[in-house]
Amino acid sequence: NAGVTQTPKFRVLKTGQSMTLLCAQDMNHEYMYWYRQDPGMGLRLIHYSVGEGTTAKGEVPDGYNVSRLKKQNFLLGLESAAPSQTSVYFCATLVGWGNEQFFGPGTRLTVL
Amino acid sequence: EDQVTQSPEALRLQEGESSSLNCSYTVSGLRGLFWYRQDPGKGPEFLFTLYSAGEEKEKERLKATLTKKESFLHITAPKPEDSATYLCAVQTTSGTYKYIFGTGTRLKVLA
Repeated sequence: NAGVTQTPKFRVLKTGQSMTLLCAQDMNHEYMYWYRQDPGMGLRLIHYSVGEGTTAKGEVPDGYNVSRLKKQNFLLGLESAAPSQTSVYFCATLVGWGNEQFFGPGTRLTVL
Repeated sequence: EDQVTQSPEALRLQEGESSSLNCSYTVSGLRGLFWYRQDPGKGPEFLFTLYSAGEEKEKERLKATLTKKESFLHITAPKPEDSATYLCAVQTTSGTYKYIFGTGTRLKVLA
């Protein structure tokens, strides 16, 4: 039982390049979230999904897109990376509203 | 606007020196307040959920309490292994599936 996994763990991009971050979960949770964590800013919600085939914008969605084609996977895409997107990205899942979130180990992204 | 504020930003304690971390919140309606622990280079790990004023939860050297305006995470006789960043998050009753996080308190316990 792996819980929540994130791929890749580290990545360095040049400005303008694109990439996709993968979050996978084996807990059959309905809700999935993408956060970014920056020093002094705390965890900020980028996008979230309340079930397969659904997505919604969070607090800081600009420059990111997401897809949830399968219940177990939540993808975060950067179409044209910018230095402001240098951050640590965390995926989280939730079994149901009002419950605790389960977090993945994070992806450290640097955009040069 | 819904807001969560944690204090202090950083705290250094000697081993065995008890203290408290604060999480104050301003929300339209509270559905739940969550405490997480985050070790360097890792994702947050769930500690406690509190749902109503007066509620308390305990786990080893940690005790979380909740009032109508704030929550405290009390650390009794801490050990070096308690060193971590402690995050507070709230979920509101506004009907969305979002959680609002504070910026955390970095705790360092010295041997």
